[in-house]
Amino acid sequence: DAKTTQPPSMDCAEGRAANLPCNHSTISGNEYVYWYRQIHSQGPQYIIHGLKNNETNEMASLIITEDRKSSTLILPHATLRDTAVYYCIVRVLKNAGNNRKLIWGLGTSLAVNP
Amino acid sequence: GAGVSQSPRYKVAKRGQDVALRCDPISGHVSLFWYQQALGQGPEFLTYFQNEAQLDKSGLPSDRFFAERPEGSVSTLKIQRTQQEDSAVYLCASSRRGGSTEAFFGQGTRLTVV
Repeated sequence: DAKTTQPPSMDCAEGRAANLPCNHSTISGNEYVYWYRQIHSQGPQYIIHGLKNNETNEMASLIITEDRKSSTLILPHATLRDTAVYYCIVRVLKNAGNNRKLIWGLGTSLAVNP
Repeated sequence: GAGVSQSPRYKVAKRGQDVALRCDPISGHVSLFWYQQALGQGPEFLTYFQNEAQLDKSGLPSDRFFAERPEGSVSTLKIQRTQQEDSAVYLCASSRRGGSTEAFFGQGTRLTVV
């Protein structure tokens, strides 16, 4: 699986949009971009995933550049409860081999401030 | 239950002691994963089960680590002769299928070896 690069930390004011970048310049054509987050002392939580189109769900939006070498996770109205470590992961989505596992980096520690 | 349940939440073991960590996945989920997370790091893959079959154990750090899922539901991660470097949070995750988009994580078991 391709490696990802994320800033180690970011700050955001409560109520503002949080834009978390991720670089995945070696991503392959069949690899998806996943985002998980981990609130302190809890297990990771799935947020969203995408291949090449922008995606939106009740938690966030995912913007993937046209060349797919980078993406941005957007939390439109950050709250204090969004303070967490956010992980960007690229992964082949197929039901074979060792591709089931997730390979994690260090993520971005997002602090939402009042 | 509604989510993945892990027990115990906290375990303190004396060096050399054997420990067993339990994971109750979401009912009906075929795939089960174990991850190890050291302080300040992202989770690292240990092993993967599809039903009762252990299909990937490439992440187990040594032969002191053993995992089983005999009936395809509850899983146990056993660590023999614990060492200080085994101190970490052990996370269990389950998903409907190996290629599922979303893995659901438990809260983890924090193991401290003294």
